[in-house]
Amino acid sequence: DTGVSQNPRHKITKRGQNVTFRCDPISEHNRLYWYRQTLGQGPEFLTYFQNEAQLEKSRLLSDRFSAERPKGSFSTLEIQRTEQGDSAMYLCASLPKARLNTEAFFGQGTRLTVV
Amino acid sequence: DAKTTQPNSMESNEEEPVHLPCNHSTISGTDYIHWYRQLPSQGPEYVIHGLTSNVNNRMASLAIAEDRKSSTLILHRATLRDAAVYYCILKTSYDKVIFGPGTSLSVIP
Repeated sequence: DTGVSQNPRHKITKRGQNVTFRCDPISEHNRLYWYRQTLGQGPEFLTYFQNEAQLEKSRLLSDRFSAERPKGSFSTLEIQRTEQGDSAMYLCASLPKARLNTEAFFGQGTRLTVV
Repeated sequence: DAKTTQPNSMESNEEEPVHLPCNHSTISGTDYIHWYRQLPSQGPEYVIHGLTSNVNNRMASLAIAEDRKSSTLILHRATLRDAAVYYCILKTSYDKVIFGPGTSLSVIP
């Protein structure tokens, strides 16, 4: 257990529905990242928060995707009008305040299946 | 982003040492070499990192070539629990972690 919690662990949804995932980082960590991972590939960066500010978004994050981190604590990732291509593992990672080469702590991920 | 090249897959016998290679010929002076691994159905976990000198910790050792264009992650005695995808990553101090496809390690009993 890394201390990063993601819920739900699994989600099956019908195409066109909206889904929301939650990430609870380690409490003293101010940096939070979301990644997406498809089968056989390494995780791909989606977006980055420092405290409540969303500082970076990948071009992979289409306008159907939105992420928030209110009050700089937990974060949510919402996908609207899901498509089958959204089926993937969604991973969250947290890091403490920027210091030299600290490690990233990953949650166990939320596996999304769009049917 | 600086790139790394790793073999797609490797096999090792249980209780034998494993040397996982990584090439990073375009590494810059500010890039650190990080290794993460991902067990089946788990999120990635940090293994080790280094800049120029070889590094040891409880999980593994990292051997870095003198010219820093390659490195090797060493698992001293592979166990079945070490079967995972191992990612070699270059990053500067405050960068995000960018993953490549990694090396899938199989451990044979």
